[in-house]
Amino acid sequence: GNSVTQMEGPVTLSEEAFLTINCTYTATGYPSLFWYVQYPGEGLQLLLKATKADDKGSNKGFEATYRKETTSFHLEKGSVQVSDSAVYFCALRGSGGYQKVTFGIGTKLQVIP
Amino acid sequence: GAVVSQHPSRVICKSGTSVKIECRSLDFQATTMFWYRQFPKKSLMLMATSNEGSKATYEQGVEKDKFLINHASLTLSTLTVTSAHPEDSSFYICSAGRDSDTGELFFGEGSRLTVL
Repeated sequence: GNSVTQMEGPVTLSEEAFLTINCTYTATGYPSLFWYVQYPGEGLQLLLKATKADDKGSNKGFEATYRKETTSFHLEKGSVQVSDSAVYFCALRGSGGYQKVTFGIGTKLQVIP
Repeated sequence: GAVVSQHPSRVICKSGTSVKIECRSLDFQATTMFWYRQFPKKSLMLMATSNEGSKATYEQGVEKDKFLINHASLTLSTLTVTSAHPEDSSFYICSAGRDSDTGELFFGEGSRLTVL
């Protein structure tokens, strides 16, 4: 079956530091890939997505590139802010029909001033 | 953007009682909704797929008689935790995708259930 592996946190960074959160996946076919973010006390919201190989999703300074050869979708941001402190979930949705979404374990990011 | 709303956001109940959580898609129709359970420091676990007008599809290990799901309309799905026990205390999240979408899910705010 499908699976998502992402680095466990917590990740603590100083403001303006570079962020990478690794995510790799296992799936058949051509899944869609997502990063969701959960701010403290809130539900999940979509951060970015990519639906085919070599696509780059981007939003709010965050980027992730769909790499089929390495089955990866690493999340990056060049300069994090305190307001980026949240839990980040990598996820995939299988191809073919209306497939369920599989989530990674989530990585907690804490940005300190 | 699409909005999914859950109610209540927090509920505290006594052991043995039943609790109903509603999930509504406010500005789109959703023939399929998903119910997740989030454990502390763990990922979201898919509990079941709710299908409008038909029975829900439960994931392996999820008790269908304990977690009753009803998807009575294209904008409403309900999760009822029956005879709740303290181990049912958790954060329950629903999500829905627009039928024409390529895969993005829209999530409700979540419902924190505490069973005393």
